[in-house]
Amino acid sequence: AQKVTQAQTEISVVEKEDVTLDCVYETRDTTYYLFWYKQPPSGELVFLIRRNSFDEQNEISGRYSWNFQKSTSSFNFTITASQVVDSAVYFCALITTQGGSEKLVFGKGTKLTVNP
Amino acid sequence: SQTIHQWPATLVQPVGSPLSLECTVEGTSNPNLYWYRQAAGRGLQLLFYSVGIGQISSEVPQNLSASRPQDRQFILSSKKLLLSDSGFYLCAWSLLYERNTIYFGEGSWLTVV
Repeated sequence: AQKVTQAQTEISVVEKEDVTLDCVYETRDTTYYLFWYKQPPSGELVFLIRRNSFDEQNEISGRYSWNFQKSTSSFNFTITASQVVDSAVYFCALITTQGGSEKLVFGKGTKLTVNP
Repeated sequence: SQTIHQWPATLVQPVGSPLSLECTVEGTSNPNLYWYRQAAGRGLQLLFYSVGIGQISSEVPQNLSASRPQDRQFILSSKKLLLSDSGFYLCAWSLLYERNTIYFGEGSWLTVV
């Protein structure tokens, strides 16, 4: 069964601090995709990144970086020099492409609060 | 506990055919309901949301429509599908007044051929 675990329910930091959001996934499939979404107070999910199971390169986009490690089934997300606008709920998600159907499995989300 | 179900899980439809995706929520009352779409290579896009029976808000103009005939039922429809309607559709719900936390259904993968 596919499963995504975001063990951190809520995180609170002070502006300019670095913060890492953890994501651990479970799947028996060899082909899969991992996602991170941001959900600001407006409620709409904002897509941040998609990573396929064959690409373990870490990625950096501005203040965001992602560390994908298949050996530990983790896909962690780091925000450097956090800002108040980063306050949101962040979802890690997994989609598999085998087995006759495709399903997007989300973690329960991590609520990040960045205080000024 | 609350659960959400949507069906069918996968669907292959020809261009010009109708569409109906159904979603139901159990274990809660007066939920906010949502339909999202994730097209290939694109992010998750909010299509419709509803705060009550018969109350539907559309986020983007398109070939789709939504209806909420019952408190915990949300239906996504189309009279004539387009190729561009292909994608992954997610139904979701949230507690009234707590729109920040959204719970998703299993998803429906639509391929229009």
